Amino acid sequence: QQQVKQSPQSLIVQKGGISIINCAYENTAFDYFPWYQQFPGKGPALLIAIRPDVSEKKEGRFTISFNKSAKQFSLHIMDSQPGDSATYFCAAPYNQAGTALIFGKGTTLSVSS
Amino acid sequence: KAGVTQTPRYLIKTRGQQVTLSCSPISGHRSVSWYQQTPGQGLQFLFEYFSETQRNKGNFPGRFSGRQFSNSRSEMNVSTLELGDSALYLCASSIDTGGTEAFFGQGTRLTVV
Repeated sequence: QQQVKQSPQSLIVQKGGISIINCAYENTAFDYFPWYQQFPGKGPALLIAIRPDVSEKKEGRFTISFNKSAKQFSLHIMDSQPGDSATYFCAAPYNQAGTALIFGKGTTLSVSS
Repeated sequence: KAGVTQTPRYLIKTRGQQVTLSCSPISGHRSVSWYQQTPGQGLQFLFEYFSETQRNKGNFPGRFSGRQFSNSRSEMNVSTLELGDSALYLCASSIDTGGTEAFFGQGTRLTVV
């Protein structure tokens, strides 16, 4: 089964610092790479997504960097805030036939004030 | 616009019993996917339904089944419950095709005792 490998498992960052989470995928046919954010007691919510025709996408303090040749993509959170403390999941399509996703194992981010 | 609604929010069942979980997608969304979330395995894809047909299926035993109705509402059923089935079950709805945002409900917390 295709996998998405995510690291690190947990991350502690000072307020105002940069949080970086990495993911690696296997299937070169994947064409959609979303990042989801999940707070305790809530379902995951889409944070930002990228397609392989661009190398970077930025939305506010959140940036996805995409390296197609290395089959890797990463999430950068600039000026990290305590409110960013959550679990982050990278994902990729389960296959090309639907909307199902396969997820990385998740990264628990704690931003200390 | 109402979000994805999952019922019930919490369930406690005994080993050997069966359980049915319900998911009402966002109005106009025809694709519904189910995921199991556990601390050890993370978010794992169960199955996806589109227009009342199972479009994709993850790597779970046959005790896990689902269906989708003509109004896009979906149910999943787990028979002969095992302790290891204790998890948060999440439903996600999408408009139609891959590469579009999947909106998650808050999940059903199933505890098997």
